[in-house]
Amino acid sequence: GAGVSQSPSNKVTEKGKDVELRCDPISGHTALYWYRQSLGQGLEFLIYFQGNSAPDKSGLPSDRFSAERTGGSVSTLTIQRTQQEDSAVYLCASSLAFEGSGRWGTGELFFGEGSRLTVL
Amino acid sequence: QKEVEQNSGPLSVPEGAIASLNCTYSDRVSQSFFWYRQYSGKSPELIMSIYSNGDKEDGRFTAQLNKASQYVSLLIRDSQPSDSATYLCAVKRSSASKIIFGSGTRLSIRP
Repeated sequence: GAGVSQSPSNKVTEKGKDVELRCDPISGHTALYWYRQSLGQGLEFLIYFQGNSAPDKSGLPSDRFSAERTGGSVSTLTIQRTQQEDSAVYLCASSLAFEGSGRWGTGELFFGEGSRLTVL
Repeated sequence: QKEVEQNSGPLSVPEGAIASLNCTYSDRVSQSFFWYRQYSGKSPELIMSIYSNGDKEDGRFTAQLNKASQYVSLLIRDSQPSDSATYLCAVKRSSASKIIFGSGTRLSIRP
């Protein structure tokens, strides 16, 4: 597709259940980010994938959160044993990146429409 | 101390005036700076990027960067009601690093 695609757009689950959120980035984008946005708040960084490098997981709030990116493309964010405080919009973004030769990536992020998670 | 700080607002500006949005960051070696606009219920979209000290203009928008003061700002000239949104400041330390966002400033343009 032309843009970043996220699914599901809405997910309602019961406390204690596991959920998986999917992100399909723009073709050719090597960088992929997951952010979380609670109502009226800013974007909370969760995890960052850049090419074949080890992901930056420094933003994951607990070990209930994990993410993987298969084949350098599609990414899945998994939340185990969901809690009510996990309720938020989960945003995925991708970007082009340039490495080496003193150049750096533009950093322009293209966001998906988000997955709204509600934990009852 | 937060890595990227913004006044949450709301900032109310009359139509046609200049809106000034400010952001400070804590990591002195940060290299790339961005302003994103987010309408209510929508995803953020990039307005401006700036990498060097000084001003960068694009239409009604001007981004200003002062690395010595660790300060970046966004000026919106001739503010329109359609500019009413939340403006997010974002900072990237290096080419291989993550992008960190501030909590955003809510801007309201009153007719």
